[in-house]
Amino acid sequence: GEDVEQSLFLSVREGDSSVINCTYTDSSSTYLYWYKQEPGAGLQLLTYIFSNMDMKQDQRLTVLLNKKDKHLSLRIADTQTGDSAIYFCAESHFNTDKLIFGTGTRLQVFP
Amino acid sequence: GAVVSQHPSWVICKSGTSVKIECRSLDFQATTMFWYRQFPKQSLMLMATSNEGSKATYEQGVEKDKFLINHASLTLSTLTVTSAHPEDSSFYICSAVDGDARQPQHFGDGTRLSIL
Repeated sequence: GEDVEQSLFLSVREGDSSVINCTYTDSSSTYLYWYKQEPGAGLQLLTYIFSNMDMKQDQRLTVLLNKKDKHLSLRIADTQTGDSAIYFCAESHFNTDKLIFGTGTRLQVFP
Repeated sequence: GAVVSQHPSWVICKSGTSVKIECRSLDFQATTMFWYRQFPKQSLMLMATSNEGSKATYEQGVEKDKFLINHASLTLSTLTVTSAHPEDSSFYICSAVDGDARQPQHFGDGTRLSIL
């Protein structure tokens, strides 16, 4: 079955860049997403990328997709304390509307 | 745009009562909504897919008689936890899709359910 893996924890200093990694197993993934979850809240869609793209940039966020290695990353430039949260990657397929979520990465930003 | 409102945000009730959670798409029509459950420090687990005007599709292991889903309009889906017990305590989150399935899911803020 599908499996989406993330590292559990990342700690960075304010102002540095953060890179959150995600690997997935299903090569038929169509869309790949990054969501942010703050404590006690729902998920906020940050960005998403279609599987025929290699990169997508949106302000401080850069998504890189390596289809060969089934590896997705999210880079946050100039990380701020407000970026502290849990980040989930997720994949979906063309013929289904379900999302398969990763395990989540807790990002902690310290001054 | 693409705002999803979930209500209530927190509910505490006695064991044996039924609890209804509402999920509304405020500025778009959602033919499909999803209900998830999230345990502390874990990822989201899909419970069911709710389609407007038809029966919900439940994931394996989710009791459909326990978790009743109704999607009577294009902007509202409800999840009713029937005869709730302490093991049903959890964080429930809904999401909605604006248009076809290739659009991203937009999530509500979740409902924390505590059963005493």
